[in-house]
Order: sequence, then structure tokens, then C-alpha cells
Amino acid sequence: EADIYQTPRYLVIGTGKKITLECSQTMGHDKMYWYQQDPGMELHLIHYSYGVNSTEKGDLSSESTVSRIRTEHFPLTLESARPSHTSQYLCASSELDKNYGYTFGSGTRLTVV
Amino acid sequence: AQSVTQLGSHVSVSEGALVLLRCNYSSSVPPYLFWYVQYPNQGLQLLLKYTTGATLVKGINGFEAEFKKSETSFHLTKPSAHMSDAAEYFCAVSYTGNQFYFGTGTSLTVIP
Repeated sequence: EADIYQTPRYLVIGTGKKITLECSQTMGHDKMYWYQQDPGMELHLIHYSYGVNSTEKGDLSSESTVSRIRTEHFPLTLESARPSHTSQYLCASSELDKNYGYTFGSGTRLTVV
Repeated sequence: AQSVTQLGSHVSVSEGALVLLRCNYSSSVPPYLFWYVQYPNQGLQLLLKYTTGATLVKGINGFEAEFKKSETSFHLTKPSAHMSDAAEYFCAVSYTGNQFYFGTGTSLTVIP
């Protein structure tokens, strides 16, 4: 079944640790996105990609980095986690140049202590 | 700057009552419009979308929305609320298909 997967669902980690949030999709979508979501706030785009070897920063400044070596995989990395990184991170994908909307993953809720 | 406004961060309705969640966008160019629903501890799920054609669109779970260009609105409605409709609802717009702008969300509570 075509879908988009995020792991882990929940993560509690200490300050200064390096973490990678995984996102994979089986739909062959060219476009992939990372959003940061805080309670009561709009979703903020932090990274996006239009295809393999394409990565761009979004509207919200983020200390994270992303890579797109394979179409289906779009991991997000924080080299040194801080409490200010505590948030929910949502990965999404869509078809290129089509307004069919996004398909979202279930999200990763990150807590940095 | 493009923006999406959702009036009312929290809406409560009785079970069986009409659901009305408001969404307005600010642009002179009609966008593509979307409503997403988010259940607790889950990602966002597409409810319905307007791209072109008929301005009244029907989505899943009995929801529908009407695009009103003159009012720059895309309000979400459902004739009769069900307990399972309790969730967070996000309105989103896109102008190019390459980036979406989300509202701040409306939390819907359904009272038995």
C-alpha cells in the first residue's frame, strides 16, 4: 500500500545529541517536505526537495539539515539537539507540478531535555 | 505575503449540530484550497480540495466546502457533527503547487 512513513514516532533525547528523523514514501512522489508544528501554531516549512539531490530551506529558519539521495527517502538531521528543538516534525510528499495536495506522515514528536 | 486565516482556534458543537469552520485567504489571485484533518498523535489527512471547476466540493466523512471568490473564503461545513469528528482542522492554500501555506488550525470539540 502506497504510504509515507516516519520513524520514530516519539523521541526523547538529551541536549547535544545528534539525531536523524527518518521519512520514507512508497508513492514515487518527486516532492518531499519537512514541517515543524507547535501546538496552536501554523505549520512551518523548514525544508523541501523537488527530487534527488535537490534540497531547499523553507520559510522557517532551522538548524537541521536534510538529504535526498533516493527518491523515496528524505531524512532530517539535527547535529546537536537543543531544548528549543522540541516540537512535532511532519514529513509530507506530493507529485511534482500537481495540486493534488500533500500526503503526510504520522509525525515525530521530539523532546529534547 | 500570502496568508491563511482560520477564525476561531477552538470550536465546540453538539453532536448532530452543524459544523462550520472558517477559512479566509489573502490574495488577489485565486489559489488552490485545501482542508486537512489531524487526529491526536497523527499526521494530517486530506479532507477535500478545490482546484478548478465547481466551487462546492465534497470531501470525506460528509464534509464539504465552498469556494467564494468574492469573499476570499473556503469555509468547511458538515450538516451533522459526529463524535468522531473531534480533531484539529487545517486550511491550506497553494498558488504554484510547489508550496502550501497553512492556517493555525481549528480544534473541533463535539459535545455528546
